[in-house]
Amino acid sequence: QLLESGGGLVQPGGSLRLSCAASGFTFSSYAMNWVRQAPGKGLEWVSSISGGGGDTYYADSVKGRFTISRDNSKNTLYLQMNSLRAEDTALYYCAKDSIFSLNRGDWFDPWGQGTLVTVSS
Amino acid sequence: DIQMTQSPSSLSASVGDRVTITCRASQNIDTSLNWYQQKSGKAPKLLIYAASSLQSGVPSRFSGSGSGTEFTLTISSLQPEDFATYYCQQTSRTRGFGPGTKVDIK
Repeated sequence: QLLESGGGLVQPGGSLRLSCAASGFTFSSYAMNWVRQAPGKGLEWVSSISGGGGDTYYADSVKGRFTISRDNSKNTLYLQMNSLRAEDTALYYCAKDSIFSLNRGDWFDPWGQGTLVTVSS
Repeated sequence: DIQMTQSPSSLSASVGDRVTITCRASQNIDTSLNWYQQKSGKAPKLLIYAASSLQSGVPSRFSGSGSGTEFTLTISSLQPEDFATYYCQQTSRTRGFGPGTKVDIK
């Protein structure tokens, strides 16, 4: 099970940290991912992190502004979001990866229910 | 970056119809292609991984095929619970999703 939290209303230029609490599997054995969905739009991959936390990927749209991290002792995934823009408004999902490392050919399952981030003045 | 496209963007079909959705990648991704179903207000659900492998618990009316740059998701006999939006995803280089195909009732 994956449970996201930390969403809310933030002003443009502000910061927010999302959390995803994992249970029911060996958290440290799997890479993890963040995916977002703007209202009425499709899915956009945001970021991925390997099981050990040593490797990370970011979408170009968030590179340099967002930081993915994980605390395997707490079974928790994080997304630190800085310099937020209106276009970052979305429902943010965390999703478990099928493997430990960030290799090709993996997939996301399961997904959490999401936490809503609204960037507006 | 690898660009993903899907066709059609939407379709109307009846219960019992055979439905095919196509996903194309801008470059060769071998079989690093997954399919997800998303119902309104719900999180996406994995249907097919590695282009053609059926996820456990997913009905056998769903199937996937393809490799390289062209892939298809087929629903052999559409059921009422299948009306949803379907997304393809590549995991060859970083990750990325197609724009989605909405399947609704004719």
